[in-house]
Amino acid sequence: RKEVEQDPGPFNVPEGATVAFNCTYSNSASQSFFWYRQDCRKEPKLLMSVYSSGNEDGRFTAQLNRASQYISLLIRDSKLSDSATYLCVVNKEGSYIPTFGRGTSLIVHP
Amino acid sequence: EAQVTQNPRYLITVTGKKLTVTCSQNMNHEYMSWYRQDPGLGLRQIYYSMNVEVTDKGDVPEGYKVSRKEKRNFPLILESPSPNQTSLYFCASSVRAGRGYEQYFGPGTRLTVT
Repeated sequence: RKEVEQDPGPFNVPEGATVAFNCTYSNSASQSFFWYRQDCRKEPKLLMSVYSSGNEDGRFTAQLNRASQYISLLIRDSKLSDSATYLCVVNKEGSYIPTFGRGTSLIVHP
Repeated sequence: EAQVTQNPRYLITVTGKKLTVTCSQNMNHEYMSWYRQDPGLGLRQIYYSMNVEVTDKGDVPEGYKVSRKEKRNFPLILESPSPNQTSLYFCASSVRAGRGYEQYFGPGTRLTVT
């Protein structure tokens, strides 16, 4: 089993839709979690951290489920500009070597 | 403006010709790292540095060298590039956030080795 797994997609949704991605991790010692967004041929950019209590930033909500070892990203009211690849990142406590998922592609169409 | 810069952005070279990709950050971050991104493999860490003169291997360090003589700069050196090092390279500068690190990436360097 890969350390961090994501459904590559693509998720093809209309504008205004709600879409959710999951990211599973295999190492129960994992302690920090992030979502990054990457546009085609561009650098990844931090979207949000994922806290144990979950967190919300506008249309984006991130959740952590430690029991089932996954994190999720929910995007409400999708915009065309949300089209990108979403990467999840997992760190073990004390480790500076993050593990990136391979990303989930989202395409929002008119 | 807080940023990470990389140079060059694009490079085509031949096997065995030494090259250096520069990386600089203006955020006074202690942590910096290099990644390569390949189709189907995702981002993989090559080397990282926790501070000046402190560097360590990531997941795929073979064929690469780094140095950290100043806090702001973290160059990646390919002493003898080979075609399997053709890739998209990202430098990142990081800041501690809770139990992990938030990373800020440079714009990338697309390297082709023929």
